Amino acid sequence: EVQLVESGGGLVQPGGSLRLSCTASGFTFSTYAMTWVRQAPGKGLQWVSVMSGGGSIYYADSVMGRFTVSRDNSKNTLYLQMNSLRAEDTAVYYCAKYRRFGERYFDYWGQGILVTVSA
Amino acid sequence: AIQLTQSPSSLSASVGDRVTITCRASQGISSALAWYQQRPGKAPKLLIYGASSLESGVPSRFSGIGSGTDFTLTISSLQPEDFVTYYCQQSNSFPLTFGGGTNVEIK
Repeated sequence: EVQLVESGGGLVQPGGSLRLSCTASGFTFSTYAMTWVRQAPGKGLQWVSVMSGGGSIYYADSVMGRFTVSRDNSKNTLYLQMNSLRAEDTAVYYCAKYRRFGERYFDYWGQGILVTVSA
Repeated sequence: AIQLTQSPSSLSASVGDRVTITCRASQGISSALAWYQQRPGKAPKLLIYGASSLESGVPSRFSGIGSGTDFTLTISSLQPEDFVTYYCQQSNSFPLTFGGGTNVEIK
């Protein structure tokens, strides 16, 4: 059974940093691209970043230069390092896996982790 | 970035109704579109990918059609568990983008 579990969220002050983790199980993690999607309270879904199994990376413009995605295939874990956090980064952050190689659709999602940026 | 405009943003319907949700892309994306369902407080669930392919385990009352810039999600006969929010997502190019969502409410 595929499982994705996010951790590392919480309350952080504006300008601060936080690192999210997404631990995967039930599939061959190293062969799948993994993505982060966020959802501000009461708002819609916003794609954040993706990292392929081979290391290709893309970011949304809104987080470029502030967020860094990485992965440790030996630990089946995806990370999102978030720096220079702003109030508008407050959201539930989900990790998700690509459905298949080359298909940028997300078939399994974690339960989400809340990040609150506030003084 | 490719913008996706969903309409309507909300709709009211009854159990058994047929409903259609539209997603329009700001430029052509071939058939690179997915639909997701999201229940309150839960992660989204993939319903349709490639504009018209039904994800495994998804009831056949859900269907999708479209290519280029115009896409639709149809629920042929609304069930009580279908009164939630739906999103489209384009996979044609980065940055990946989602539509604004459609909330399906009970009339």
